[in-house]
Amino acid sequence: SAVISQKPSRDICQRGTSLTIQCQVDSQVTMMFWYRQQPGQSLTLIATANQGSEATYESGFVIDKFPISRPNLTFSTLTVSNMSPEDSSIYLCSVVSRDRLTEAFFGQGTRLTVV
Amino acid sequence: AQSVAQPEDQVNVAEGNPLTVKCTYSVSGNPYLFWYVQYPNRGLQFLLKYITGDNLVKGSYGFEAEFNKSQTSFHLKKPSALVSDSALYFCAVRELDNRLAFGKGNQVVVIP
Repeated sequence: SAVISQKPSRDICQRGTSLTIQCQVDSQVTMMFWYRQQPGQSLTLIATANQGSEATYESGFVIDKFPISRPNLTFSTLTVSNMSPEDSSIYLCSVVSRDRLTEAFFGQGTRLTVV
Repeated sequence: AQSVAQPEDQVNVAEGNPLTVKCTYSVSGNPYLFWYVQYPNRGLQFLLKYITGDNLVKGSYGFEAEFNKSQTSFHLKKPSALVSDSALYFCAVRELDNRLAFGKGNQVVVIP
């Protein structure tokens, strides 16, 4: 299993500002993902965080709005830029090995409120 | 693309009664299916998975799930629900690139 530390756990931010969320894993994992969970909704994949290269974004998400870094196998950050109230969501990082027999693990999430 | 569906919005059950949360899947090839639970203000916690083998899978907190290939279902079950089981439950399928595709989630309310 993997233990994931995600911070901050919650924040209230002013519109137009940016917030960077950190995800630290206690072991080297090959794949890291960032999900968004809007109020009352399911989880939607934002992007795959690739080590040492640009993240792979899903349709509807762009790098200028959600820049992602992954400098090594155990750490990644997601920035929510130029925030608006519509960005109010829970953001979760997830890690998984390439072994398809194993489950994915999730951080505790960052609850973001934009006012 | 792989997908799962959770047809119900909310599941209400009396404490002590059996709990069932439904999930159907649509996949090409062998399905890799998962159930996760989300308690308020918490991340997702893994409950159980089906990869291959026995159709009845046992997981955490007394939960189990039955994989039914003919009905393309993977329903989550617990013989006797507890008030502490009240939470949001997600069914998910693992895609070829290892991401997870989630169902919409089911709010389970266990009534004392």
